[in-house]
Amino acid sequence: GAGVSQSPSNKVTEKGKDVELRCDPISGHTALYWYRQSLGQGLEFLIYFQGNSAPDKSGLPSDRFSAERTGGSVSTLTIQRTQQEDSAVYLCASSLAGTSGGAYEQYFGPGTRLTVT
Amino acid sequence: KNQVEQSPQSLIILEGKNCTLQCNYTVSPFSNLRWYKQDTGRGPVSLTIMTFSENTKSNGRYTATLDADTKQSSLHITASQLSDSASYICVVSARGTYKYIFGTGTRLKVLA
Repeated sequence: GAGVSQSPSNKVTEKGKDVELRCDPISGHTALYWYRQSLGQGLEFLIYFQGNSAPDKSGLPSDRFSAERTGGSVSTLTIQRTQQEDSAVYLCASSLAGTSGGAYEQYFGPGTRLTVT
Repeated sequence: KNQVEQSPQSLIILEGKNCTLQCNYTVSPFSNLRWYKQDTGRGPVSLTIMTFSENTKSNGRYTATLDADTKQSSLHITASQLSDSASYICVVSARGTYKYIFGTGTRLKVLA
């Protein structure tokens, strides 16, 4: 079946512009995560959605970052007034459920490589 | 603080050789540990998952070990192939949380 898809695969934007990154999770997966992967760094947790529960936004680095998940499926990560330090690969992952202790497998999308010039 | 550290940062080996990657963690209370393979330009893909009671798990030429007492894990790759060239990421989950702690990865390059 179809895996997690993300778009665009690459995005180059000018400093100060807003960008939207899209994630289509695997159908039926109620948990969705956004991560940021900078060169030489481990994946950094950004935000977590689980069903209809309020999202965990504790990883968002600033108020320029926001995300939403419509209808429990597609998610959009928005970065306003982009800065050069926002340049990174943004990965989305989904799983059947976000239970305690990571019992369920996370399936990752291919990521969006964002470059802010 | 929950952390996952991997070594070496990078490794170059010849095709057909074996190698072992290391992962040390301080995540507590421990739930499970996964090894992921991430090809360039792709998202990570799970290789193995081990819980507290498991000390070895194999997936083809990949064998992971876990010592929950010393909080160490290793990933052994046997008879390496060019397609093994990738980053290998150790990920640990803690009980009572849905978050995953990611190591920075080991970048492996297999040469012909």
